Amino acid sequence: NAGVTQTPKFQVLKTGQSMTLQCAQDMNHEYMSWYRQDPGMGLRLIHYSVGAGITDQGEVPNGYNVSRSTTEDFPLRLLSAAPSQTSVYFCASSYGVDTGELFFGEGSRLTVL
Amino acid sequence: DAKTTQPTSMDCAEGRAANLPCNHSTISGNEYVYWYRQIHSQGPQYIIHGLKNNETNEMASLIITEDRKSSTLILPHATLRDTAVYYCIVRASLYGGATNKLIFGTGTLLAVQP
Repeated sequence: NAGVTQTPKFQVLKTGQSMTLQCAQDMNHEYMSWYRQDPGMGLRLIHYSVGAGITDQGEVPNGYNVSRSTTEDFPLRLLSAAPSQTSVYFCASSYGVDTGELFFGEGSRLTVL
Repeated sequence: DAKTTQPTSMDCAEGRAANLPCNHSTISGNEYVYWYRQIHSQGPQYIIHGLKNNETNEMASLIITEDRKSSTLILPHATLRDTAVYYCIVRASLYGGATNKLIFGTGTLLAVQP
């Protein structure tokens, strides 16, 4: 099992560019989510999904879009990157929508110039 | 979900037990206590969770006070690899309408000293 796989691990963007952070899990997990982590801060929830075709907003959704067309994949799209979106992004998944036991990817470090 | 309070940092000698406290004085009856840790630059890792009984697994023990207003995560024999940020999270059960929308605070940085 690969677990939760995030790509790319590192990315540098210019302000205004768009990009997609990929997240895939091979554990048949229903629940998937995206967090961002800034220096000195805890993780903040961006978007989450309780199953294919269902997504919802977390604490800090502005500037990000998500979709969940398959159980395995949950991409995070930055529509027009801003320096404030410089952060480390983590994808997480869990078997059920209410188990509380999340499996995290290794993170994607994004820098917006 | 109830708010948690943890010390910013703690030290522990290698081989000794590490006891990490967490206050959650506003916890309600259907809220669970979860612990995660994050080793530098890695994704967080689930450790353990409990409702009101003490819990133990291969990684740690969780002691919840009888009034449930605080808890302690115990790493029985800390090693250098246990150096990490430890997060205490309170989360409602499904019957409270919650999902896995875990809210992470800033946690406790545990430094295990050789």
